[in-house]
Amino acid sequence: GNSVTQMEGPVTLSEEAFLTINCTYTATGYPSLFWYVQYPGEGLQLLLKATKADDKGSNKGFEATYRKETTSFHLEKGSVQVSDSAVYFCALSESTGANNLFFGTGTRLTVIP
Amino acid sequence: NAGVMQNPRHLVRRRGQEARLRCSPMKGHSHVYWYRQLPEEGLKFMVYLQKENIIDESGMPKERFSAEFPKEGPSILRIQQVVRGDSAAYFCASSPGPQEGYTFGSGTRLTVV
Repeated sequence: GNSVTQMEGPVTLSEEAFLTINCTYTATGYPSLFWYVQYPGEGLQLLLKATKADDKGSNKGFEATYRKETTSFHLEKGSVQVSDSAVYFCALSESTGANNLFFGTGTRLTVIP
Repeated sequence: NAGVMQNPRHLVRRRGQEARLRCSPMKGHSHVYWYRQLPEEGLKFMVYLQKENIIDESGMPKERFSAEFPKEGPSILRIQQVVRGDSAAYFCASSPGPQEGYTFGSGTRLTVV
């Protein structure tokens, strides 16, 4: 079956620190992988995605590389800002359509000045 | 262009009461998806609807839960005779087509006391 295991939070970092949020997955086929972000009081927003092995998704300074050999899709950012404080969700989909998304539990990130 | 609107944001119900959660999709979106996030778990797919039709309800509990998306008005997720285990965050997403980009709402947090 499909599942996503995500690094437990909460994570608290100082501004300009390096961020890594780990995500590993189990899938029966060749999924697409996603990171969603939920800012306080808002809906989930797609942050970045990768659709095949070795693809790197990037957006707003965040990056994640689809690693088939380790079944991982870790989220990284070189220098976090206070405005990055949010909950981050890793997800996979083996086919298109929002009815086929499998999510991790979410990791709450708090960045302090 | 307003995003996906969910209301209420917070809902408290006593055991045995009914809960009605509303989701107004983005303008031009005719596909709606409901997800549930139980405490300490990831979002899990419940049901996928198109106007007046249920397309996929494979994630819906067999009893007490129902969903509709009428020709006019918002999509409604209805939970009858709520129990404490129904306490969760319920998220709605909408898309213009079955395989096109989808947008999430900010969720309804249901607490059953």
